[in-house]
Amino acid sequence: DGGITQSPKYLFRKEGQNVTLSCEQNLNHDAMYWYRQDPGQGLRLIYYSQIVNDFQKGDIAEGYSVSREKKESFPLTVTSAQKNPTAFYLCASSTGTGEHYGYTFGSGTRLTVV
Amino acid sequence: SQKIEQNSEALNIQEGKTATLTCNYTNYSPAYLQWYRQDPGRGPVFLLLIRENEKEKRKERLKVTFDTTLKQSLFHITASQPADSATYLCALPQGTNAGKSTFGDGTTLTVKP
Repeated sequence: DGGITQSPKYLFRKEGQNVTLSCEQNLNHDAMYWYRQDPGQGLRLIYYSQIVNDFQKGDIAEGYSVSREKKESFPLTVTSAQKNPTAFYLCASSTGTGEHYGYTFGSGTRLTVV
Repeated sequence: SQKIEQNSEALNIQEGKTATLTCNYTNYSPAYLQWYRQDPGRGPVFLLLIRENEKEKRKERLKVTFDTTLKQSLFHITASQPADSATYLCALPQGTNAGKSTFGDGTTLTVKP
């Protein structure tokens, strides 16, 4: 079955550590996205990539970094520069802009700073 | 930038009734608007898209309207069931920047048996 897989499901980070969240899709989608969701709030765009080897900052990119070396993979690194990283992170993919069929989301990674 | 407001309060209704959720936006009218369902601890699931030149769209028990004059979309679930309980999000493309969407904060719907 085609889908989008995020791992790990839960992640704990110590202060000052960098952590990397994995996102893999086998839908042959060109575009991939990272969103952050805080309790009771909507999704905020961190980074997005519409093609391999290219990505753009979203609305809240500070303290995060990404790479897009393969079409299937779009890992997100939460760096120590991100002062409030505790949140639910969602990866998504789409054909083109996502207009016709919407975004396909993964199940999310819940990151907690300890 | 585009701002979205959804029902600020959670919505509680009785099974069998029609649930109506609201999505209001400011600034420009988007070319289309999408609705998603999100269950606790899960990623959103795409439900419906409606374009600016469409007044209404239906899918099974779901109906979406789009009024560009009022800058509003309404999302209706008819004959609601407890399984419809979830958070519903609306999303709009960010201007002409294809591929970027802004999501509302969502409305949590609870359908009581």
